[in-house]
Amino acid sequence: AQSVTQPDIHITVSEGASLELRCNYSYGATPYLFWYVQSPGQGLQLLLKYFSGDTLVQGIKGFEAEFKRSQSSFNLRKPSVHWSDAAEYFCAVVVAAGNKLTFGGGTRVLVKP
Amino acid sequence: DTGVSQDPRHKITKRGQNVTFRCDPISEHNRLYWYRQTLGQGPEFLTYFQNEAQLEKSRLLSDRFSAERPKGSFSTLEIQRTEQGDSAMYLCASSSTDMGYTFGSGTRLTVV
Repeated sequence: AQSVTQPDIHITVSEGASLELRCNYSYGATPYLFWYVQSPGQGLQLLLKYFSGDTLVQGIKGFEAEFKRSQSSFNLRKPSVHWSDAAEYFCAVVVAAGNKLTFGGGTRVLVKP
Repeated sequence: DTGVSQDPRHKITKRGQNVTFRCDPISEHNRLYWYRQTLGQGPEFLTYFQNEAQLEKSRLLSDRFSAERPKGSFSTLEIQRTEQGDSAMYLCASSSTDMGYTFGSGTRLTVV
């Protein structure tokens, strides 16, 4: 079945440490890939997206993601986390242009001082 | 353009009442999407429009739910005979052909 999986429900990281959030997808072809961030009670903000080309994508707020076709993965990384990065992060895919986004279950990131 | 607007931000209603939410997309976006998000979960797709045509509806969209986009601009989502299980955040998004999906801040529904 087609799906988007974020294996980690919660991650706790110290401020200044690096962060990596995992995302795996299961689709017949490579979908379009997105990462969104959501602060409590708020809507979703786009961090970055991948359609084609360079497999390392730079986004806002110092985030980057790497697409690995062989692993069907699109992991999100940040070299040094700030307290303001505490939020919920969602990986999402689109199978065809203009179609709906399908989201993973999310990963909640907690930042320790 | 101020982005995607949703109204109201919060709605508390008694079980059995009808509620209607409104979404105003980015003006040049021809696609509009509705999602539902419960606590601790990712957003779940409900339905989407291209201009005024409703192109897809999820199985989550029971007979009590109806969505419209009468002139291809704003959209409304109505829930009839609300149930406690309808309590959730209802998110609207719009997009254009460049695949830039922009979300509103959502409407939080609480059914008591």
